[in-house]
Amino acid sequence: AQTVTQSQPEMSVQEAETVTLSCTYDTSENNYYLFWYKQPPSRQMILVIRQEAYKQQNATENRFSVNFQKAAKSFSLKISDSQLGDTAMYFCAFILIQGAQKLVFGQGTRLTINP
Amino acid sequence: NAGVTQTPKFQVLKTGQSMTLQCAQDMNHEYMSWYRQDPGMGLRLIHYSVGAGITDQGEVPNGYNVSRSTTEDFPLRLLSAAPSQTSVYFCASSYGWETQYFGPGTRLLVL
Repeated sequence: AQTVTQSQPEMSVQEAETVTLSCTYDTSENNYYLFWYKQPPSRQMILVIRQEAYKQQNATENRFSVNFQKAAKSFSLKISDSQLGDTAMYFCAFILIQGAQKLVFGQGTRLTINP
Repeated sequence: NAGVTQTPKFQVLKTGQSMTLQCAQDMNHEYMSWYRQDPGMGLRLIHYSVGAGITDQGEVPNGYNVSRSTTEDFPLRLLSAAPSQTSVYFCASSYGWETQYFGPGTRLLVL
């Protein structure tokens, strides 16, 4: 079975700083997608960034980028120039491309951006 | 597009009562799923569907029932509510293994 682990329950940084959230996963499969979702206090789940496992190039979306290390099964999220609106729970998630299409989530990291 | 909609937003039930959480999407997505989110935990998959008439169990299916008679709708039924089912429930839809789009959630309290 696939598992996703986020080892940092909480993090806190000052506005404009850079912060990195960690995520590791476990699978014996080769073809999958990885995601980072953001959940602000409104509880809405918002996609931040997506990475296809077959792509070596790390995905980027404006201030958000990932460091995808397939051999190490690591998928960290870097937020540059952090803003107050980045305060939220962040979830790492994984889905296989073939077979049962089940999205597996990590436990989440609560990120607070301080003014 | 309204995206993924869920009703109700909040519900209080007594133990043993039944209810249906509604989920609808207008994006013509084949894949729909239900998750529950408990404090300190990520979302866990309850049931999912890969198309009308096809459903399957996720990680925590016990106590829940689903059906998929149309592409647009995917209701979740609690047959006999228990306090352990107090949670926030999210519905999501996607084109299969691509990005899942989530509804706003339903907060359920079972007394």
